[in-house]
Amino acid sequence: QQPVQSPQAVILREGEDAVINCSSSKALYSVHWYRQKHGEAPVFLMILLKGGEQKGHDKISASFNEKKQQSSLYLTASQLSYSGTYFCGTATNTGNQFYFGTGTSLTVIP
Amino acid sequence: GAGVSQTPSNKVTEKGKYVELRCDPISGHTALYWYRQSLGQGPEFLIYFQGTGAADDSGLPNDRFFAVRPEGSVSTLKIQRTERGDSAVYLCASSLQAGGLDIQYFGAGTRLSVL
Repeated sequence: QQPVQSPQAVILREGEDAVINCSSSKALYSVHWYRQKHGEAPVFLMILLKGGEQKGHDKISASFNEKKQQSSLYLTASQLSYSGTYFCGTATNTGNQFYFGTGTSLTVIP
Repeated sequence: GAGVSQTPSNKVTEKGKYVELRCDPISGHTALYWYRQSLGQGPEFLIYFQGTGAADDSGLPNDRFFAVRPEGSVSTLKIQRTERGDSAVYLCASSLQAGGLDIQYFGAGTRLSVL
């Protein structure tokens, strides 16, 4: 039931773009994106609900395709502060269980 | 409080002992989650509370694990007869409404080490 993320790891130079994908085998009600830095708690980035909406703030945006049960996180003009592990989190229609994805380690270098 | 508070931040125990991990959610948040995170892995769902009741405890690995939230605020995760495989960071998160619909705010976690 754990969503699968790709890629597993990516290294970017400052200013480059990245896309992180999240794919689930279950019908999804919502997708969340979190970033976690080493030794710290996950920090919320954004939430997408059913309806195929796309959201974004600053240089980070995301899309949710409920038919394909997939979501993608787009990072543009990456900054050093973007480094960390990105997790998608998914809720099914009941909203009770919440599953985090396999994680994507992103490293931004100068 | 301003955020989700978890205590203790670190707990070292011996195999076979009993431990309690505490989570103090953001005031007014009715939904509360417990997760377990092993090194290099994503948080693993354990249990979800809506108010005082456990709405879903399907993620608890076995009957050595139990959690309560008697007054709909503070929650305690209890682990009996600890095993070395229980070593992990235990995270708590709270949200204003059901977590699938709302932002989950995480505590800093309790790092449990079973020797």
